[in-house]
Order: sequence, then structure tokens, then C-alpha cells
Amino acid sequence: NAGVTQTPKFQVLKTGQSMTLQCAQDMNHNSMYWYRQDPGMGLRLIYYSASEGTTDKGEVPNGYNVSRLNKREFSLRLESAAPSQTSVYFCASSRREAFFGQGTRLTVV
Amino acid sequence: DAKTTQPTSMDCAEGRAANLPCNHSTISGNEYVYWYRQIHSQGPQYIIHGLKNNETNEMASLIITEDRKSSTLILPHATLRDTAVYYCIVNPDFGNEKLTFGTGTRLTIIP
Repeated sequence: NAGVTQTPKFQVLKTGQSMTLQCAQDMNHNSMYWYRQDPGMGLRLIYYSASEGTTDKGEVPNGYNVSRLNKREFSLRLESAAPSQTSVYFCASSRREAFFGQGTRLTVV
Repeated sequence: DAKTTQPTSMDCAEGRAANLPCNHSTISGNEYVYWYRQIHSQGPQYIIHGLKNNETNEMASLIITEDRKSSTLILPHATLRDTAVYYCIVNPDFGNEKLTFGTGTRLTIIP
């Protein structure tokens, strides 16, 4: 029982490159979330998915796309990375209380 | 429009009880109060939640006022490892809702 698994843990991108952050949960949760956290700041919701096949924008969706591939997996895609997207990205899932992954530390240079 | 209000920061002496307040005056009847904490740069960790009765688990106690407009998280014997940012959130039970975090309370345990 791994909980919420995020890959990769660290990534450096050049401006304009694209990448997909992967998230998988093994708790059979319906809801999944993507957050970003800038240094010294709180968590900001990027996108969320209340169930398989549905996604909705959060507080800061611009520059990101998501896919709820199945009940287990929820991926976050940066089509054209910008330095302003340098952040730590957390994925979470919930049925009642939320469980978080370890985070992906992304640097865009 | 924030659903909860928390102090920005608090200090507590090691070994003493840490009492973290939260105001949620617009809470709805079907919304629960949840508490999470985030230690350094780790992912947030669930602590406890409740509807209207006081709750206790191995980590903490949660006291909710009778009118449900505020609550207090109590860490009974704070240790240095309890230094973290604590978030108070209101959400429906089994809520498939937008789950947003405010800025939380930065709790520092003083040796």
C-alpha cells in the first residue's frame, strides 16, 4: 500500500520545454488534486478531479493541463514551461481526508 | 473568499500544550472541520477532523464550539517535531469539492 506516488521527484526544464508529472494512488479514491507551492507560500490548487472522467480548474490553472487517465492516475502537463512555474508540485487524493504525495521539485531555467 | 481564519504564527514551549485556533463562522451544516499540518517541505499530513463533537486521536484533540463557528486544535505535549504549518479547512464529509488551503498557522516549538 504505497498511498500517493508522484514521479519524478526532481526535474530541471529549459524554458519552452514540455513535461508531464505523474500521480497514482492505490486507495480507490474518487477525488484527486494537483497543487503548487512556491517557496515560503501556501498550497494553491491547480486542477482537481472529483471522479474518473471529470476535471475542473482550481485557483491557478493557467499554463497547465490535466488528464484523469483512470481512477488511479491523474497527470499534470506543462506544455511550454516558464520560469514562473518553478515550484514544488503536490498531488493528493481523498475519499474523506486527503493524502498527499512526496512532491515534485521542478525548476525551469 | 476564505472559509477559515487562522493566526499567522504562534510559539509554544516544548512539553506544553499547543492550542491552535480557527474561525469558520460561515460553516455549513454538512461541512466538517479538518486539520492538516505540513512539516518543512513535505506533503501535508492529515491530523484530525470533526463535525460538532470533540474528537481525540493519537496525534491531537479537536474542540469545536457549540455554534460550530470556531474550533481549537490541541497538541497536548508539544515536541520539537511538531514545528510545522497547521491548516484548518472546512469541507463536506466525503466531499468531492474543491479542496483549498489557506495560509495556515506557522507553529514554532521553543526548546
